[in-house]
Amino acid sequence: AQSVAQPEDQVNVAEGNPLTVKCTYSVSGNPYLFWYVQYPNRGLQFLLKYITGDNLVKGSYGFEAEFNKSQTSFHLKKPSALVSDSALYFCAVRDTGAGSYQLTFGKGTKLSVIP
Amino acid sequence: NAGVTQTPKFRILKIGQSMTLQCAQDMNHNYMYWYRQDPGMGLKLIYYSVGAGITDKGEVPNGYNVSRSTTEDFPLRLELAAPSQTSVYFCASTEGTQVSEQFFGPGTRLTVL
Repeated sequence: AQSVAQPEDQVNVAEGNPLTVKCTYSVSGNPYLFWYVQYPNRGLQFLLKYITGDNLVKGSYGFEAEFNKSQTSFHLKKPSALVSDSALYFCAVRDTGAGSYQLTFGKGTKLSVIP
Repeated sequence: NAGVTQTPKFRILKIGQSMTLQCAQDMNHNYMYWYRQDPGMGLKLIYYSVGAGITDKGEVPNGYNVSRSTTEDFPLRLELAAPSQTSVYFCASTEGTQVSEQFFGPGTRLTVL
């Protein structure tokens, strides 16, 4: 079975500082990993994904994520946080070994960027 | 492209009433999904479809039904609404390859009183 954990319900960071939102996963095969962002009263928007290759993935709005197979992690990062980055962030995983087209989502991490 | 659209945006139901949440996509995606989002719980998969005429249960299907008569539409039916179905419902679609990201609709906020 595939699963994903986001250990922090909330992350607070000062504007201009680097931010990290953590995600760990569990799969039987190889993972496809995704990050989504949700702004208030909106649907989820795709940020970036890891399929294979370079462990550092770059995505929308200056976000990037680092895949670490040994630690089964896929942390989301941004070098300099903006107030407009404040939102709910979801990590999701798809297990290639299971042949599944379903995504399993984490519970979400609320990011608050303080001016 | 409008992407994924959902109607209504908001709805209040009384216990025991029924309703259909509408979802449509104009991207010619074969795969469509229904999720519910509860505070602090992330997204739970209710039902999904891999093409017209084919549907399957997700993690939390009880109390819901779906149909997929066309590629574009994937309505979710609630029969005998219960307070436990108070949630925000999201529809999503994807091309259908394992590497494809899902595209989400704006959601329907449902309250059952």
